[in-house]
Amino acid sequence: DEQLVESGGDLVQPGGSLRLSCVVSGLTFRNYAMSWVRQAPGKGLEWVSGITGSGGASYANSVKGRFTISRDNSKSTLYLQMNSLRVEDSAIYYCVTGNSFTYFDYWGQGTRITVSS
Amino acid sequence: EIVLTQSPEFQSVTPKAKVTITCRASESIGTSLHWYQQKPDQSPKLLIKYASQSISGVPSRFSGSGSGTDFTLTINSLEVEDVAAYYCHQTSSSPTFGQGTKLDIK
Repeated sequence: DEQLVESGGDLVQPGGSLRLSCVVSGLTFRNYAMSWVRQAPGKGLEWVSGITGSGGASYANSVKGRFTISRDNSKSTLYLQMNSLRVEDSAIYYCVTGNSFTYFDYWGQGTRITVSS
Repeated sequence: EIVLTQSPEFQSVTPKAKVTITCRASESIGTSLHWYQQKPDQSPKLLIKYASQSISGVPSRFSGSGSGTDFTLTINSLEVEDVAAYYCHQTSSSPTFGQGTKLDIK
């Protein structure tokens, strides 16, 4: 069975940094484009960033220049480096299969980021 | 940015009812429109891809239609387990989601 397991969520102060990880099993990771999608408390879904199997990245305007997506195909792991965090970045962050041009067919359980002083 | 507007935002429904949720795009997106279901305290789940294509394992009471700017998700004979939030999602350009439609049982 396909599994996507996120980690790295935490409470961080505004201006701080965090790195999220997502370990993928049950599918051939290098063949899949991947994305991060977030959901603020009580709110809807927002695509954050995507990456192709070969490493081509794309970002939502709201995080461009602050977040960096990357992947290690040898470890079947997706990353999101989050810098200059803002209160409005507080959300559950989901790791998903698919990039900015495709539907998201597999979802992780999410990891929670809270940005607060 | 393409804006997706769903209606209604909230609906109380009775079991076995037919439910229709609409999603309108601010510009034409062809059939690059997908639907998700999110039950309370769970991750979203893909229901329909490319406006009308079914997904393996999703009950046949869920169907989608539409193209261009107007799309519909239909649930035939709603079951109690279908209480959830439903989101549309476009991939014609930088991805965006609708604001969601929350269903509860009347």
